Amino acid sequence: AQKITQTQPGMFVQEKEAVTLDCTYDTSDQSYGLFWYKQPSSGEMIFLIYQGSYDEQNATEGRYSLNFQKARKSANLVISASQLGDSAMYFCAIGSSYKLIFGSGTRLLVRP
Amino acid sequence: GAGVSQTPSNKVTEKGKYVELRCDPISGHTALYWYRQSLGQGPEFLIYFQGTGAADDSGLPNDRFFAVRPEGSVSTLKIQRTERGDSAVYLCASSPRGDYGYTFGSGTRLTVV
Repeated sequence: AQKITQTQPGMFVQEKEAVTLDCTYDTSDQSYGLFWYKQPSSGEMIFLIYQGSYDEQNATEGRYSLNFQKARKSANLVISASQLGDSAMYFCAIGSSYKLIFGSGTRLLVRP
Repeated sequence: GAGVSQTPSNKVTEKGKYVELRCDPISGHTALYWYRQSLGQGPEFLIYFQGTGAADDSGLPNDRFFAVRPEGSVSTLKIQRTERGDSAVYLCASSPRGDYGYTFGSGTRLTVV
């Protein structure tokens, strides 16, 4: 079975600062993917970034980067230069085929 | 359409009633997924369709829940004899194949009173 743990229910960050959202995972699969989604108050799940278990380099997408430490089974999301529009729920997820297992999320609030 | 469309956006129903939730995926996406998100939790997998058939319905909580996708496009999630514990946001997603390239809809918020 696969499991995602997000230990930060809520986080604050000052606008323009960087913030790291923690995610640890557990899986017995050799091949898997790790994902981060953003969920604003509108409710839609917005895909941010993906890391494959065999990818040697950390994934980056614009202001988002994924700090992948396979031995520690962690996949932290780093958001650089935070913006007010980054305030939302953030979910980490793991998948080995078509099904995603999500964590309980972290609520990020960006302060002006 | 441009995105995944879910209707209604909100549904309030009385305990014991029957409800249907609709999902219109991105045109051409063969894979369709339903997830349920309870308050304060991440989404939980319910069912996966590849074309018209349910390839994996292991996440459906009990036999009151059923989903169809008769023509391989629009899907309907059906809940019989609703209970207060069914209150949640029901999210639909589609992808070009049965892989990770999900696009989620905005969800249907179901409230059972």
